[in-house]
Amino acid sequence: QVQLQESGPGLVKPSGTLSLTCAVSGVSISSSNWWSWVRQPPGKGLAWIGEVSHSGSTIYNPSLKSRVTISIDKSKSHFSLKLTSLTAADTALYFCARRYDFLSGSNRYTYFDYWGQGTLVTVSS
Amino acid sequence: QTVVTQEPSFSVSPGGTVTLTCGLTSGSVSTAHYPSWCQQNPGQAPRTLIYSTKTRSSGVPDRFSGSILGNKAALTITGAQADDESDYYCVLYVGSGLWVFGGGTKLTVL
Repeated sequence: QVQLQESGPGLVKPSGTLSLTCAVSGVSISSSNWWSWVRQPPGKGLAWIGEVSHSGSTIYNPSLKSRVTISIDKSKSHFSLKLTSLTAADTALYFCARRYDFLSGSNRYTYFDYWGQGTLVTVSS
Repeated sequence: QTVVTQEPSFSVSPGGTVTLTCGLTSGSVSTAHYPSWCQQNPGQAPRTLIYSTKTRSSGVPDRFSGSILGNKAALTITGAQADDESDYYCVLYVGSGLWVFGGGTKLTVL
């Protein structure tokens, strides 16, 4: 059974750095998938932050690109999110997810199939 | 910047049919955007119901179906039930490895 579990501080100061980890179990983090971060400010919608591949390639939301780093540690079966220069606008529920990408015949399929339960990060002094 | 549009809210009667849509402020949605639909209940993680336009995730009832209608992706719920009352988000691949979520639709069943 695939499980993703976020962990990290729930309160961080303005101008500080948010660091979250997503522990992956039930599936090899080295398999050919993408490991993603999505956030949701209180009362608002979902926003894709970015993702890392099993080989360490990364893609980031352009609106956050200058502040975000996503990395993977295969030895620990987890991947991580760092977001710098925090403001109150970064207060959100942060989810990690697996984006499963596969071919069936000549058709490509891709979707966020497993999600963590989310962790609330509040930016406040 | 690519913006994905959804109806902010929708209402359906129990047993009724409702179609939620997912569009782009510039251009048409096609299968090349790999549209997915996620359901999210308050305080819970999202759950993907439909992916790659019309494929149902494992365990999703067949009253949920996905399609392209005109220039938008669509999620149709046929025979709506009370526990379908939820927030629904579409997410699109917009190229260059980037994904964008719509603003979500709050569905009320009453």
